[in-house]
Amino acid sequence: EIVLTQSPGTLSLSPGERATLSCRASQSVSSTYLAWYQQKPGQAPRLLLYAASSRATGIPGRFSGSGSGTDFTLTISRLEPEDFAVYYCQQYGRSPRYTFGQGTKLEIK
Amino acid sequence: QVQLVQSGAEVKKPGASVKVSCKASGYTFTNYGISWVRQAPGQGLEWMGWINTYNGNIDYAQTLQGRVTLTTDTSTSTAYMELRSLRSDDSAVYYCARDSEELVGWGQGTLVTVSS
Repeated sequence: EIVLTQSPGTLSLSPGERATLSCRASQSVSSTYLAWYQQKPGQAPRLLLYAASSRATGIPGRFSGSGSGTDFTLTISRLEPEDFAVYYCQQYGRSPRYTFGQGTKLEIK
Repeated sequence: QVQLVQSGAEVKKPGASVKVSCKASGYTFTNYGISWVRQAPGQGLEWMGWINTYNGNIDYAQTLQGRVTLTTDTSTSTAYMELRSLRSDDSAVYYCARDSEELVGWGQGTLVTVSS
């Protein structure tokens, strides 16, 4: 089973700053099957990016993704107040179909 | 638009079973699978299982195999998740999501509390 490790666990930044979140896989992951989700308190997760770098419908351009193999990055170019949330990376595979990282909490500094 | 509406909160005793429903609208139900994901209080996301709504193929997380059953009723575009032999650590919010190798469109979540 592929294990996804996200870092940092918590990231404290101010609105307007740039956020860089990391997701490292225990073995190589096809970038086609790497996604990122945002979850706000009391809400269901929302798909942000799929195939490592493709934005889902309605996701603003300040969200971008990159990476390949075992190292993937979610970047938020200029933080808006509504971006403070928990972010999860996820990979699609077999047995199990999905695994999630443990999450990075992005909090207001 | 894609909408998944789940059944309401449940309180169950240890050893009991719970069945959560997920009614889909805004798309052709049998064109996409449904995955179930749960989240214990203050914890991360745990994938539970997936059902192919077209042919009924199922894939369960190994950790839950034997205790969870996924079904669908295509006549009502509804998916169901039943979890048996409930334990206190099954207390969580349970989500259904439309599955196309990423999870686009989630239900609002169903809180299941297991307590004696």
